[in-house]
Formats: sequence, structure tokens, C-alpha cells
Amino acid sequence: ELKVEQNPLFLSMQEGKNYTIYCNYSTTSDRLYWYRQDPGKSLESLFVLLSNGAVKQEGRLMASLDTKARLSTLHITAAVHDLSATYFCAVTMYSGGGADGLTFGKGTHLIIQP
Amino acid sequence: NAGVTQTPKFRVLKTGQSMTLLCAQDMNHEYMYWYRQDPGMGLRLIHYSVGEGTTAKGEVPDGYNVSRLKKQNFLLGLESAAPSQTSVYFCASSFPSEAFFGQGTRLTVV
Repeated sequence: ELKVEQNPLFLSMQEGKNYTIYCNYSTTSDRLYWYRQDPGKSLESLFVLLSNGAVKQEGRLMASLDTKARLSTLHITAAVHDLSATYFCAVTMYSGGGADGLTFGKGTHLIIQP
Repeated sequence: NAGVTQTPKFRVLKTGQSMTLLCAQDMNHEYMYWYRQDPGMGLRLIHYSVGEGTTAKGEVPDGYNVSRLKKQNFLLGLESAAPSQTSVYFCASSFPSEAFFGQGTRLTVV
């Protein structure tokens, strides 16, 4: 059974600070996703990481993947209030012959205070 | 381009009532999914489909049924709603590597 653990589950931080959200998963996986969700809204895709050592950056967010350690990180640089949201990582066992869906972590509720 | 559209957006049901949630996608994706989201639980997979006419159980399938008669539509049915099915339901479609989510259906069972 594939399990995905995120930490922390709740994070309150000040604007301008840096921080990292961690995502551990239990078995070998093809790919890892990061999503953002604002209150009452749907999920917005942030990053798709497809291989060991993959690093992607968009604005103040950078995601990386270490498949050997089964670990992904989402790093926030110089946080701003607009980044306040819940962030989910998700993993799939997709292997080309079918797609059995994503297994999600419980999410990290991020509050960025002025 | 509408993407993934869910109907309805909100619904209140009485215990024991039935209903169907509709998911429609216009991206010609093979794979479609139904998830539920509960506070502190993340999203959990209910059922999924890898093509027209096929369905499979996910992590939490009990109390739900699904059908995929047309490629673009994926229906989620509750035959006899229970308060434990109060949740936000998300539909998603994907092919091959990225999933696109609908706007969600907030269902309350009283």
C-alpha cells in the first residue's frame, strides 16, 4: 500500500522567511505532484516531477525529488502573503499500462503573516 | 475550453436518499477519477476509470457506484446516502502524466 506523509501539517511563518515542506512516500513511484488549494477552491497543479534529481522552480516555489530517499521537498523563498494556502503532494504508481490514481498526503496548511 | 466540469456544485441530501454526481471533461482524456476530501484527510480515491466502459475501485469505494458509458463522462452514484458521506467530491481526468481537477461538489447528508 502506497502511503504519503507530509510535514509539517500546519505552518505559520512570517513574510520574507524561507521554509521547506517535506513529502515522504513509502514505495517506488513513477512521478510526484505538488498541488495548491485555496479555501473552498479546487486543486491547482504546481509541479510534476518525473525523475530522480528533478528540480522545478516557479516564482518563489521550488520543488525537488529524490527517488532513492523517496522524498520530495517544496521550498518557499522569501514568502509573501499570497502564498498562504494548503499544499498537497501526491504520488502515482502509473506504469504506462494504466493509471490507478493519485495517493495524496494530508496537506500542509500554510499561513504567511505580515 | 471548459476542462473538467462537475454538476452540481452543492447539494443537501437526507439520509437514505440517492443522487448522481456528473463529471464531464472535454480534453479527450482516457483516465477519470472520483475523490473525496475530508478535513485533515487529504484526497482519497473512490473509484476510477481507465477508459470508456471500464471502472475500478479505489481506496474508499463502499457506498458508491460509478459508470463510464461515454468517454467524456464519469458518473458517481450514492444509492442510499449516509451522514458519513458528507464531504467535498472532486472529479479529475488525466492522460498521460497530469491530472486536471473539477471545481468540486460540496455534499451534505443530514
